[in-house]
Amino acid sequence: QLVLTQSPSASASLGASVKLTCTLSSGHSSYSIAWHQQQPEKGPRYLMKLNSDGSHSKGDGIPDRFSGSSSGAERYLTISSLQSEDEADYYCQTWGTGFVIFGGGTKLTVL
Amino acid sequence: EVQLVESGGGLVQPGGSLRLSCAASGFTITGNYMSWVRQAPGKGLEWVSLIYSGGNTYYSNSVKGRFTISRDDSKNTLCLQMNNLRAEDTALYYCARGAYGSSSYFDFWGQGTLVTVSS
Repeated sequence: QLVLTQSPSASASLGASVKLTCTLSSGHSSYSIAWHQQQPEKGPRYLMKLNSDGSHSKGDGIPDRFSGSSSGAERYLTISSLQSEDEADYYCQTWGTGFVIFGGGTKLTVL
Repeated sequence: EVQLVESGGGLVQPGGSLRLSCAASGFTITGNYMSWVRQAPGKGLEWVSLIYSGGNTYYSNSVKGRFTISRDDSKNTLCLQMNNLRAEDTALYYCARGAYGSSSYFDFWGQGTLVTVSS
């Protein structure tokens, strides 16, 4: 069964970098995912699509501070030079014919 | 500019019905797949339903048989008919656009419309 696993929370200091992880369940390491950001009281925003080889394509207007990478079944979102507005929930998403799956989300706190 | 604006949410009693709409602008909804995603209070995102550009529709197990997704191509609007509503359907309902006509990631989201099921 295809499942996406994310840590519930993460924290990092203003100006630092943080790496969030989304793990695909066993047997599904070839799947691409997408990362979405949800700031408090707002709708989600598409950040990027991330492939198994680490190649990624970002949404319009997404700063260069946001980047993606992959290793095996792990998909990463790295945010550098953290700003206060990066404090948000981050969700990974994958898909197949007739279904969409989300990870449980990671709440990022900027200290 | 792509925009998705949801409407139709509100307070409804258990067992009642509600129809949500998502007005799209900046693109033609028949060229992309469209979807509904919901978020219960304090919880994460949950996929609800989708319609591919070719018209095929799919539903999560939690709403199958109760919800119906459709498109009004003349109005460039996505709809979700929700019947036999339950307390656990209480959530903010988002409209999302798929990047392509079928099976892909979401590249645009609306701001959501709140559905509350309570007596």
